[in-house]
Amino acid sequence: EAGVTQFPSHSVIEKGQTVTLRCDPISGHDNLYWYRRVMGKEIKFLLHFVKESKQDESGMPNNRFLAERTGGTYSTLKVQPAELEDSGVYFCASSQDKGTQYFGPGTRLLVL
Amino acid sequence: AQSVTQLDSHVSVSEGTPVLLRCNYSSSYSPSLFWYVQHPNKGLQLLLKYTSAATLVKGINGFEAEFKKSETSFHLTKPSAHMSDAAEYFCVVTIIQGAQKLVFGQGTRLTINP
Repeated sequence: EAGVTQFPSHSVIEKGQTVTLRCDPISGHDNLYWYRRVMGKEIKFLLHFVKESKQDESGMPNNRFLAERTGGTYSTLKVQPAELEDSGVYFCASSQDKGTQYFGPGTRLLVL
Repeated sequence: AQSVTQLDSHVSVSEGTPVLLRCNYSSSYSPSLFWYVQHPNKGLQLLLKYTSAATLVKGINGFEAEFKKSETSFHLTKPSAHMSDAAEYFCVVTIIQGAQKLVFGQGTRLTINP
């Protein structure tokens, strides 16, 4: 069974540009989560989908971040416009019910 | 609210010697506690989890952790380190019956010396 996949693995963009990150959860997992680790800090929760609905988006830093999960399958996280402080590693995880969260390899974002 | 403190940002041990990675937690409710590991250029992998059953939890690759409520600790141990254990380790807390978001510690980077 395939694990959680994320695309791209790396992205380098200039300040002010737009970037879209994609996450494909494990098949059959209704719960999908986004986390972020900025340089030198701990991994922090961004938001949680149950199927296509946002269950908890309390960790989203500001309105430059938009997450979607149309159809309840894969999810995208768009940053528009990107700022220097958005640089970091963005992790996606998925789970069945309230079970173990399985993480993807992350997307390393660098904003110059 | 929940929080986690990993007491060491970096631990270095020799191959074949014991490993101890320290974690203290704070939670207003009964917690679930986890240890995740991240090897270089890999995703986060679950090592073990505590969810209110046995206080001594065994995980993969010979790791184990003991939940001590009186000390609010969940330290990770391994009797004998292997070179392949070199990685970053994260202690994580969430509450059993509540929101499912995970709260991470700052991470401990484990180095194994030959």
